[in-house]
Amino acid sequence: AQTVTQSQPEMSVQEAETVTLSCTYDTSESDYYLFWYKQPPSRQMILVIRQEAYKQQNATENRFSVNFQKAAKSFSLKISDSQLGDAAMYFCAYRDPTGTASKLTFGTGTRLQVTL
Amino acid sequence: NAGVTQTPKFQVLKTGQSMTLQCAQDMNHNSMYWYRQDPGMGLRLIYYSASEGTTDKGEVPNGYNVSRLNKREFSLRLESAAPSQTSVYFCASKSGQGLYNSPLHFGNGTRLTVT
Repeated sequence: AQTVTQSQPEMSVQEAETVTLSCTYDTSESDYYLFWYKQPPSRQMILVIRQEAYKQQNATENRFSVNFQKAAKSFSLKISDSQLGDAAMYFCAYRDPTGTASKLTFGTGTRLQVTL
Repeated sequence: NAGVTQTPKFQVLKTGQSMTLQCAQDMNHNSMYWYRQDPGMGLRLIYYSASEGTTDKGEVPNGYNVSRLNKREFSLRLESAAPSQTSVYFCASKSGQGLYNSPLHFGNGTRLTVT
């Protein structure tokens, strides 16, 4: 079974600074999909960014970007110009395209604090 | 559009009681999922339904049953609640089989406490 590891239970960043959240995964597949989700205190799960493994270019969404290293099986999330509203739990997730249901496997999460 | 709607938002049960968590989506999605979230363990898949009429076990199915009532609705039932089932439960849905990069859309979760 695939596993997703987030080795940083908590991170802290000052407002306007940059922070990188780490994620590694284990798979024998060559095609797969990776996601970062944000969970603020409201408990809602919000998609931040996604990456297809066959694409070499790193995905970006405004202040959010990823560093996808396929050989190293690493998928880190960089948040630039951090804002107070970025404070949340962040979950990395892996999707294996085999099977009919395209299930997501989640990491254990990283809690991000944003300080003034 | 409401997206994915879960009811109830909060529930307290005594050990041995039963209850059903309801989930409905209005996005015409084929696939639906039930996850539980526990501190330090991320989200773990309980059951899923790839399409109307099918259901399958996920990573932690013991103690749960599901029903895919129609394309919109996917319910999760606890027949005899146990304290180990204290958790936050999320329903999610996804469009189209084969659309592997489409994200999951989540409900707002149900916080269940079993005493």
